[in-house]
Amino acid sequence: ETGVTQTPRHLVMGMTNKKSLKCEQHLGHNAMYWYKQSAKKPLELMFVYSLEERVENNSVPSRFSPECPNSSHLFLHLHTLQPEDSALYLCASSQGTGNYGYTFGSGTRLTVV
Amino acid sequence: AQSVTQLDSQVPVFEEAPVELRCNYSSSVSVYLFWYVQYPNQGLQLLLKYLSGSTLVKGINGFEAEFNKSQTSFHLRKPSVHISDTAEYFCAVSDVTGSSNTGKLIFGQGTTLQVKP
Repeated sequence: ETGVTQTPRHLVMGMTNKKSLKCEQHLGHNAMYWYKQSAKKPLELMFVYSLEERVENNSVPSRFSPECPNSSHLFLHLHTLQPEDSALYLCASSQGTGNYGYTFGSGTRLTVV
Repeated sequence: AQSVTQLDSQVPVFEEAPVELRCNYSSSVSVYLFWYVQYPNQGLQLLLKYLSGSTLVKGINGFEAEFNKSQTSFHLRKPSVHISDTAEYFCAVSDVTGSSNTGKLIFGQGTTLQVKP
C-alpha cells in the first residue's frame, strides 16, 4: 500500500465515452499531480494542484478535465478521447511544494478504442 | 531551471553482476536528488533520495547512489543484481528552496535495466 490509490487500474473506453479516473491519498499531503506516461516517451506532467487550487496546466487538451474537491481526492474526467491518449495515467501527491519528493499511485492503464 | 539526463536508455546485465545507472543534472541552484523504480504496469516507487549530509545514500533493495556535486552526477549502483531488479529506473531533481517550477520534480527519460539469467 503506497498511500496513494488509483481506480480503476485498467480502463477501456470508446472515443465517444465519458469516464473519470480517481486518485485518493491518505498521507495528509496538500499537493497532487497527474502525469501521463506513454510508451517510449518521458513522463509528462499534466496538472498540479496545491491546496485544492490548480497551479499548473501544461497545455493539456480540453478533453482532459481535472477536479480536486479536497486535498485527499483528485479526479481526471475524460471525454471524446483519441487513440493517442492511450497511456498509463499516474497520480502523485506531496507535502508542500514537493521538493522532498512525491508518492505515486499504481496508475490507471487507459486504452482508447 | 533544472534538467536531468540519464545517459543510457537500456542497460543489459547478467544476474549477480554489478550495475551502474548514470544520471547527470544541471541546475543553477542547490538540488535534491531522487531515484525511482517502476515495475511493469506499476507506479513509481522511491528507491532513495539525497537531501543533505553524506553524499553516499543507501536505499531499498540493496541500491545506493553517490551525489557528486563537482560532476553534477547522481549515479545509481548495485553490487549484485537479481532478475527481480528488471525494471525502469528514473532519476529526478528538485529545487532545494521549492520556489521554482512549483517545486515539482524534473524527471529523466528513464533507463531500462534488463537482468539476464
